[in-house]
Amino acid sequence: NAGVTQTPKFQVLKTGQSMTLQCAQDMNHNSMYWYRQDPGMGLRLIYYSASEGTTDKGEVPNGYNVSRLNKREFSLRLESAAPSQTSVYFCASRETSANNEQFFGPGTRLTVL
Amino acid sequence: DAKTTQPPSMDCAEGRAANLPCNHSTISGNEYVYWYRQIHSQGPQYIIHGLKNNETNEMASLIITEDRKSSTLILPHATLRDTAVYYCIVRVINYGGSQGNLIFGKGTKLSVKP
Repeated sequence: NAGVTQTPKFQVLKTGQSMTLQCAQDMNHNSMYWYRQDPGMGLRLIYYSASEGTTDKGEVPNGYNVSRLNKREFSLRLESAAPSQTSVYFCASRETSANNEQFFGPGTRLTVL
Repeated sequence: DAKTTQPPSMDCAEGRAANLPCNHSTISGNEYVYWYRQIHSQGPQYIIHGLKNNETNEMASLIITEDRKSSTLILPHATLRDTAVYYCIVRVINYGGSQGNLIFGKGTKLSVKP
């Protein structure tokens, strides 16, 4: 049981490049989330998916797109990376049906030059 | 915006109890108090949550005041590995969708010293 996994762990992009951050969970959770964390700050929600086939915007969705590929996987795409998107990205999942906690992945450290 | 207020930093001696305060004066009746911590920029880790009664688990105790406007997370015997940023979060109970989302503030940076 690996919990929440994220790939890659580190990535450096040039301005304007695109990439997809991958997230997978093996806990059969309905809800999945993408957060970003800037230095010295708390996490901010980018997008979330309450269940397979649905996605909704969070606090800071601009510049990102997401895909809930199936119940296990939730990807985050940067179509044209900007330096302001340099951050650590965390994926999380939780079972929706109760007051259950979110389980977080180890994060992806992204630098946009 | 986060609905909680926490001190930015605290120190604690190893082996002593760490008491981390949190103010949530605008908490609603259907909101729980959650605590998470983040060690060394790893993903946040759930610690405990409660509604109005005190709660205890293997990691910590949560004391919520009777008016629910503040709470205290207690680590009974802090170790060096408890050095982390601790986040106090209020969250609507039980639902999926946006009501299940966590809103993080800046948290309290707890430093446990030998």
